[in-house]
Amino acid sequence: DGGITQSPKYLFRKEGQNVTLSCEQNLNHDAMYWYRQDPGQGLRLIYYSQIVNDFQKGDIAEGYSVSREKKESFPLTVTSAQKNPTAFYLCASSIYGEKPLHFGNGTRLTVT
Amino acid sequence: DAKTTQPPSMDCAEGRAANLPCNHSTISGNEYVYWYRQIHSQGPQYIIHGLKNNETNEMASLIITEDRKSSTLILPHATLRDTAVYYCIVREGGSQGNLIFGKGTKLSVKP
Repeated sequence: DGGITQSPKYLFRKEGQNVTLSCEQNLNHDAMYWYRQDPGQGLRLIYYSQIVNDFQKGDIAEGYSVSREKKESFPLTVTSAQKNPTAFYLCASSIYGEKPLHFGNGTRLTVT
Repeated sequence: DAKTTQPPSMDCAEGRAANLPCNHSTISGNEYVYWYRQIHSQGPQYIIHGLKNNETNEMASLIITEDRKSSTLILPHATLRDTAVYYCIVREGGSQGNLIFGKGTKLSVKP
């Protein structure tokens, strides 16, 4: 079945370490997105990419980095510069046009 | 900021229709209305979307007012598994840009 895979589901890191969250899709979608969700809050956009080797900052890009070397992959690195990295991270993808976004099941990152 | 306004919570009896309202008074002519829902600790699930006309699929119906300033998501026969946070979002068609999520409506379906 086609879909979006995020791994791992739970991730624990020590403060000061960089950590990379994986997102892979086999839907042949052009665009991919990373969102962050804090408890009781809606989703906030971190980065998005419309095509390979191109990406744009979202509303809260500081402390994060991404790459888009392949159409099906859009990894997110949470750097040590991110002041409050503990959150639920969601990856999504879509094709061009008004078609909806498809979401993965998220990675819950805890930094202590 | 989100372009939509939704009540923070609603209750619905199991088997009854759940009607979730959304206000989007500043919507522009080329913006679609999307509905997603999120069950705790999972990714949002797409439900339905529309531009002007009412839409229906196997999950729900979307009623958009003629002036497009508000809409209602209808779950015709709510079940306990429909308990979730429901998000109403407007987004420009043909755009790959930001999908702005507000806090949504927490729907509780009760037996």
